[in-house]
Amino acid sequence: SQTIHQWPATLVQPVGSPLSLECTVEGTSNPNLYWYRQAAGRGLQLLFYSVGIGQISSEVPQNLSASRPQDRQFILSSKKLLLSDSGFYLCAWSTGKGEKLFFGSGTQLSVL
Amino acid sequence: GENVEQHPSTLSVQEGDSAVIKCTYSDSASNYFPWYKQELGKRPQLIIDIRSNVGEKKDQRIAVTLNKTAKHFSLHITETQPEDSAVYFCATPGGGSYIPTFGRGTSLIVHP
Repeated sequence: SQTIHQWPATLVQPVGSPLSLECTVEGTSNPNLYWYRQAAGRGLQLLFYSVGIGQISSEVPQNLSASRPQDRQFILSSKKLLLSDSGFYLCAWSTGKGEKLFFGSGTQLSVL
Repeated sequence: GENVEQHPSTLSVQEGDSAVIKCTYSDSASNYFPWYKQELGKRPQLIIDIRSNVGEKKDQRIAVTLNKTAKHFSLHITETQPEDSAVYFCATPGGGSYIPTFGRGTSLIVHP
C-alpha cells in the first residue's frame, strides 16, 4: 500500500532563517506531488506541484522554492523566512489523473 | 481554469440533524468530484467521491449528489454526530487537469 511521510511535524523558526521540509512517498511510482499551505482557519493554497523528477510548477510567486531530486521525494525550501510564511504545510500525492489526493500529516510552521 | 464555489462557509447543527454542503464548478468537462474532511490540526482525508456517470453515491451516513446540468455537487450528512465536526472541502480536477481545485471549505459544527 502507498504511504506518505512528511517531517517535521512542528517547526519554530526565526525570521530570516532557512527552511527545508521534506516529503517522501512509498508504494507508488511517478506520482504527482503537491505542496499546499493552509493559514489558520483558511482554505488550501497550492504552492507547487510536480509531475516528474526535476519538473516543478509554481502557483504562487513568493520566497519559497521546491525541488524533486528523486521520483518520490519532494522538498520545500526557503533561504529566508518571512513572518507571513507561518502556516500549516501539507504535502500530497496523486495518481497521474490528479483525482484522489493523499496528504501527509502536515508541518505546523511558526515564524517568529 | 476551473473555478469552485463552496457554501456555506460555516454550518452549525444540532446532533441528529442533517447537514448539506454545496459546491458549484465551472468546467463542464469535469468528471470527478471528491470530498475531503479535515479535523482540527489533522490532514484532509478523502471521505467520498463521485464520477460524472452517476448522480448519487452513498456510504452509510454520508452521500454525494451530482447535477451535471447545473454543474453542482453536494455532500449530505445524516444523523450528525459530534465527531462529524470538521472542515469539509470539495474539489475537482477539472477536465484534463491533474491539479485539483478546492473549494474554500465549510466548517461544520455539531452541537451535542
